[in-house]
Amino acid sequence: AQKVTQAQTEISVVEKEDVTLDCVYETRDTTYYLFWYKQPPSGELVFLIRRNSFDEQNEISGRYSWNFQKSTSSFNFTITASQVVDSAVYFCALSEERYNQGGKLIFGQGTELSVKP
Amino acid sequence: DVKVTQSSRYLVKRTGEKVFLECVQDMDHENMFWYRQDPGLGLRLIYFSYDVKMKEKGDIPEGYSVSREKKERFSLILESASTNQTSMYLCASSPDPSTDTQYFGPGTRLTVL
Repeated sequence: AQKVTQAQTEISVVEKEDVTLDCVYETRDTTYYLFWYKQPPSGELVFLIRRNSFDEQNEISGRYSWNFQKSTSSFNFTITASQVVDSAVYFCALSEERYNQGGKLIFGQGTELSVKP
Repeated sequence: DVKVTQSSRYLVKRTGEKVFLECVQDMDHENMFWYRQDPGLGLRLIYFSYDVKMKEKGDIPEGYSVSREKKERFSLILESASTNQTSMYLCASSPDPSTDTQYFGPGTRLTVL
C-alpha cells in the first residue's frame, strides 16, 4: 500500500539556521513521483518540486535542496539559512503512475515549520 | 500562471443543510480533485474527475458527491452537512495524468454548526 510518513509534526528554528524536513514513503511500484508542497498561513498549497523514481539526482534551488534516496525510501527537504517567510506547513506527497487515475496524490501528515527572528 | 479559485474562503452552515463548494480553474486542465485537510491527517482525497461528467471516488467519499458539467468547474456537494464535515476543503487541478503536478486553490474553511 502507498504511504507517506512525515515523522516531524512541528519544528521550530531560529532564523539563519539550516533545517531538514524528513519524508519516508512506501510503494510497491517501480514508477512513481514524489512531491513537496508548501502551505503558508494563507492556506494555498504551493508546488515546490516533483521528482520521478528514476531520477535520484539531488536538486538545489536557491536555499532549497532535496535529497532523494531510493535505498531508504526517503525524499528529504533542506532549507539553508532559514528565513521567517519559510514558516509554513510542508507536505510531502507520492503519486503512482496509473492510467486514468489522474495522478492521485498520497500526502504525508505535514510538518509545521516555525522560523523565529 | 495557473489559477484555481474557490467560491468561498470561509463558510458557516447548519447541520442538515445542503452545501455547494465550487472550484474553477482557468488552464484547461483535464483533471480536478477535491481534498479535505484535517490536523494530523494531512490531505485526504474525496473525489476526483479526469474528464467532463466523469468522476471517481477517492479515499473518503462518504457523505459527499461531485459534479463536473464543464471542464473548468468541479463542484463538491454535501447533501446533508454534519458536524464531522467541518474542515478545510482544497480543490486542485492538473494538466494530465502523465505530469501529475497538481495546482491548488486557496481552500474553503467550512464550519458546520
